Amino acid sequence: ETGVTQSPTHLIKTRGQQVTLRCSSQSGHNTVSWYQQALGQGPQFIFQYYREEENGRGNFPPRFSGLQFPNYSSELNVNALELDDSALYLCASSERGRSAEQFFGPGTRLTVL
Amino acid sequence: AQTVTQSQPEMSVQEAETVTLSCTYDTSESDYYLFWYKQPPSRQMILVIRQEAYKQQNATENRFSVNFQKAAKSFSLKISDSQLGDAAMYFCAYSKGNQFYFGTGTSLTVIP
Repeated sequence: ETGVTQSPTHLIKTRGQQVTLRCSSQSGHNTVSWYQQALGQGPQFIFQYYREEENGRGNFPPRFSGLQFPNYSSELNVNALELDDSALYLCASSERGRSAEQFFGPGTRLTVL
Repeated sequence: AQTVTQSQPEMSVQEAETVTLSCTYDTSESDYYLFWYKQPPSRQMILVIRQEAYKQQNATENRFSVNFQKAAKSFSLKISDSQLGDAAMYFCAYSKGNQFYFGTGTSLTVIP
């Protein structure tokens, strides 16, 4: 059974640029959630995707957007990067209807200069 | 809005001893899930234990157990026989539907 994977591991961007982060869900999981974890903080829910549609969103502006593909992998896109976007971005996959248990990937560390 | 509060930013425990990490949450829901996650320095978040709110019995996973007090909205984690590998950030989390809310975490140090 393959776990959740994320790419890239680290990324450095400058303010105003755009970034795409990728996540492959665990085998058999059809739901992907994205979180932002600032240094020293707990993860903050960005949004969730189920069957290629957004299925819930946290308190993040529209410049945070996502996609889910037929194989359930997902992308997180962030436009017009700001310094405060520097964080660890975590992806978690789950099987819908299975008691909300999520399995997390190792994360992508984004630094915005 | 749901909030999760972890009032202990840092805790330490002697190896082989017992430690309890505190968590409180705020919700108006009656059916939800609560979790404790462990995040070692390698940063991969790992599920430690899960509690379903409609179950009165406290969840237990080997050396890890919880004290779930629904009326008090309290969900503490007890780690027995602490091991060096237990050193990590521990996050309490609340889930309802497709939303997850995490606390700010407790950094646990295990002293040999």
